[in-house]
Amino acid sequence: GQQLNQSPQSMFIQEGEDVSMNCTSSSIFNTWLWYKQDPGEGPVLLIALYKAGELTSNGRLTAQFGITRKDSFLNISASIPSDVGIYFCAGTNTGNQFYFGTGTSLTVIP
Amino acid sequence: EAGVAQSPRYKIIEKRQSVAFWCNPISGHATLYWYQQILGQGPKLLIQFQNNGVVDDSQLPKDRFSAERLKGVDSTLKIQPAKLEDSAVYLCASSPRTTYNEQFFGPGTRLTVL
Repeated sequence: GQQLNQSPQSMFIQEGEDVSMNCTSSSIFNTWLWYKQDPGEGPVLLIALYKAGELTSNGRLTAQFGITRKDSFLNISASIPSDVGIYFCAGTNTGNQFYFGTGTSLTVIP
Repeated sequence: EAGVAQSPRYKIIEKRQSVAFWCNPISGHATLYWYQQILGQGPKLLIQFQNNGVVDDSQLPKDRFSAERLKGVDSTLKIQPAKLEDSAVYLCASSPRTTYNEQFFGPGTRLTVL
């Protein structure tokens, strides 16, 4: 089946640092979504992207829809302890099928 | 506004037993989704309902998994018989329309098959 690969798999950063993570696909996607999942909870949508090249911000979070439509990036600026969690990309391909990525686990050290 | 409710939160069964999960979506949400999330992986969409009709069940292992949404509101997901590899968190989500970016997820049911 479709695979959305995220990197890095895990990150350990100091509070206040900026974070970058990305998501790549072997095929073209029409939408990209970024979610955060806390332990014992379902994913919560952070940012949605709808067209190639689009750059969207939500507070300290910024995400971009890659020009090739096969990748997306998420940046978190000035990280804080509550940013800890697992970040998932997700998206719909040209067949309108929906997939989640493999996840990036973020640990913020105070 | 109440969120998506799921029960039970945890379930432990032995292989070859049957199990059922229940989901109550956000009031008024026409679309309901079931996902399987294996530890360390992202959620995988199993089935999507629009009201009480199935929109997509292409990734549902139909030999052992079944789901229904009889009145277009609550839904149940059943596994019969369970296998060890079915151990996972089963997430339910709902949205007002068939648009993935409007999904709200429930807390999930953690299934352990021994």
